[in-house]
Amino acid sequence: DGGITQSPKYLFRKEGQNVTLSCEQNLNHDAMYWYRQDPGQGLRLIYYSQIVNDFQKGDIAEGYSVSREKKESFPLTVTSAQKNPTAFYLCASSSRTSGNPYEQYFGPGTRLTVT
Amino acid sequence: QKEVEQNSGPLSVPEGAIASLNCTYSDRGSQSFFWYRQYSGKSPELIMSIYSNGDKEDGRFTAQLNKASQYVSLLIRDSQPSDSATYLCAVERVGGGFKTIFGAGTRLFVKA
Repeated sequence: DGGITQSPKYLFRKEGQNVTLSCEQNLNHDAMYWYRQDPGQGLRLIYYSQIVNDFQKGDIAEGYSVSREKKESFPLTVTSAQKNPTAFYLCASSSRTSGNPYEQYFGPGTRLTVT
Repeated sequence: QKEVEQNSGPLSVPEGAIASLNCTYSDRGSQSFFWYRQYSGKSPELIMSIYSNGDKEDGRFTAQLNKASQYVSLLIRDSQPSDSATYLCAVERVGGGFKTIFGAGTRLFVKA
């Protein structure tokens, strides 16, 4: 089955620790995105990548870092510089070559709690 | 002004009724519009996309687009309790990068 996987589903960390969230897709999509969602709010774009080895900051990139070494993978690191890291993190992908490139498909999400 | 605005709700409708969800957007250049359904604790699921003015029907769902008024809506006919979720409106962000702006969502409750 084609899809997007994120791991882990739940993640607990102590304040001051960096943590990396995994996102893998086998949809052969070129573009991948990271969002965070806080209660009662919409999705806010953290980083996005249109092709391998290239990525751009979204609206709230401070305190986060990403890499895109493979087409299938787009891991997100939440660093200790992120002031309010507790949130629901969603990875998405879209195809630039078939269908509408703005049509995004989401993974199941990772719920990060930092105490 | 928010780029994509939705009434947060909750919108409560009885089972079998029509639920009407609305969304306005600020960028006149946007050409692609989407509705996602998000169950509590889950990730968003794409349910409708619309690109041209007018109506687009898919089963019990109808998306309506009016670019002149910068308005998108989603109608759910014969609403079922399983339709209870938050519905997110998403709009193409003009300016490159294939980015999309999401509204905060409208919570829908369908009462049995």
